[in-house]
Amino acid sequence: GESVGLHLPTLSVQEGDNSIINCAYSNSASDYFIWYKQESGKGPQFIIDIRSNMDKRQGQRVTVLLNKTVKHLSLQIAATQPGDSAVYFCAEPPRIKAAGNKLTFGGGTRVLVKP
Amino acid sequence: DTAVSQTPKYLVTQMGNDKSIKCEQNLGHDTMYWYKQDSKKFLKIMFSYNNKELIINETVPNRFSPKSPDKAHLNLHINSLELGDSAVYFCASSQDRRLADPRGEQYFGPGTRLTVT
Repeated sequence: GESVGLHLPTLSVQEGDNSIINCAYSNSASDYFIWYKQESGKGPQFIIDIRSNMDKRQGQRVTVLLNKTVKHLSLQIAATQPGDSAVYFCAEPPRIKAAGNKLTFGGGTRVLVKP
Repeated sequence: DTAVSQTPKYLVTQMGNDKSIKCEQNLGHDTMYWYKQDSKKFLKIMFSYNNKELIINETVPNRFSPKSPDKAHLNLHINSLELGDSAVYFCASSQDRRLADPRGEQYFGPGTRLTVT
């Protein structure tokens, strides 16, 4: 069945360094992924998404890479800042469009930025 | 001007009590959701409503009953609360994916931390 999972539960990174958060998925037919950021005491917030017809997508200081061969995606944060400290989730909506959008979330990775 | 709001933010109650959490969105979305986040930060969907109609109902105890009086509101009522119900509950909303090809983005509320003692 479908599942989305993460390799690292916690990532400590020095301020200014780059962060890489990994996510693995099991369904080779998966075609769309979303990254969410959840700051302490807040709800998850959309960061960036990627479709399976792309290998890479860039946003502001964030880049998502998709490797369909090994069913792996990663979120890279450039020049990590204290405000990047949060839990990051990869998520996948169902392939069949429906009124609802049952997101399947990965287990999350906590990023701790050290000053 | 909060997009998705929930009340209360914190809820502490005893086992066996009945409690409700309210959610409202002002984004004009047709679809709303309830998620449960456990102590390990794992997020799992519980329910989804589209235009006041239940469309997703995961394996959730009957003690949990969502109610949607209109498409901007989705409340969650929990009967006979148990210790295992302690978690953070998030409300979310999104566009109806059938209408276009939206990104599937869901907008989450700030969460309600429920503690059952």
